[in-house]
Amino acid sequence: TQLLEQSPQFLSIQEGENLTVYCNSSSVFSSLQWYRQEPGEGPVLLVTVVTGGEVKKLKRLTFQFGDARKDSSLHITAAQPGDTGLYLCAGARNPGNTGKLIFGQGTTLQVKP
Amino acid sequence: EAQVTQNPRYLITVTGKKLTVTCSQNMNHEYMSWYRQDPGLGLRQIYYSMNVEVTDKGDVPEGYKVSRKEKRNFPLILESPSPNQTSLYFCASRISRGPLYEQYFGPGTRLTVT
Repeated sequence: TQLLEQSPQFLSIQEGENLTVYCNSSSVFSSLQWYRQEPGEGPVLLVTVVTGGEVKKLKRLTFQFGDARKDSSLHITAAQPGDTGLYLCAGARNPGNTGKLIFGQGTTLQVKP
Repeated sequence: EAQVTQNPRYLITVTGKKLTVTCSQNMNHEYMSWYRQDPGLGLRQIYYSMNVEVTDKGDVPEGYKVSRKEKRNFPLILESPSPNQTSLYFCASRISRGPLYEQYFGPGTRLTVT
């Protein structure tokens, strides 16, 4: 059972376009993280959101945590070829020290010049 | 430089031949874990360790063993590898407390079992 569903799974767009990736669940998470992974490398953390309704911006990337803490979105404005990669969301089910993260299946983004 | 290292990066082996993938971190992190990444399935946790001599199963522990004798090292052991363990493996570490913990991932080990 996939507790975190990401959509779309694949996205191919032209440079300059905007896009949104969604991460949805029927479960509540205490926090949610977004990672970006490039070929041949491990995932790298982009952001952590903790509070329901929270919005965080990282240059052209905007991350939002749903009010009920069951879903999140990543919006990229004016995508560039350097944004190409695999984007993963990961949720923590409790704030305690078990630290177990549940990952979505990932969204592969290709930005064509 | 803060980092998680894994060795080997690539490994091709045959069914049943025991192997160990090493993982080491230089950030004095208490928490370490192993994941496998398969197409369409994302990252699934195999085992994790909250500190030295404290390990526990993740979501897909069958066929794997781990040990945590030192804080910096967390090797993954496949006693009798099978083809369904062909995958991309990542080791990760982080501090143990707080909701804003950032996991640092190693570069990955691509394992093929024939």
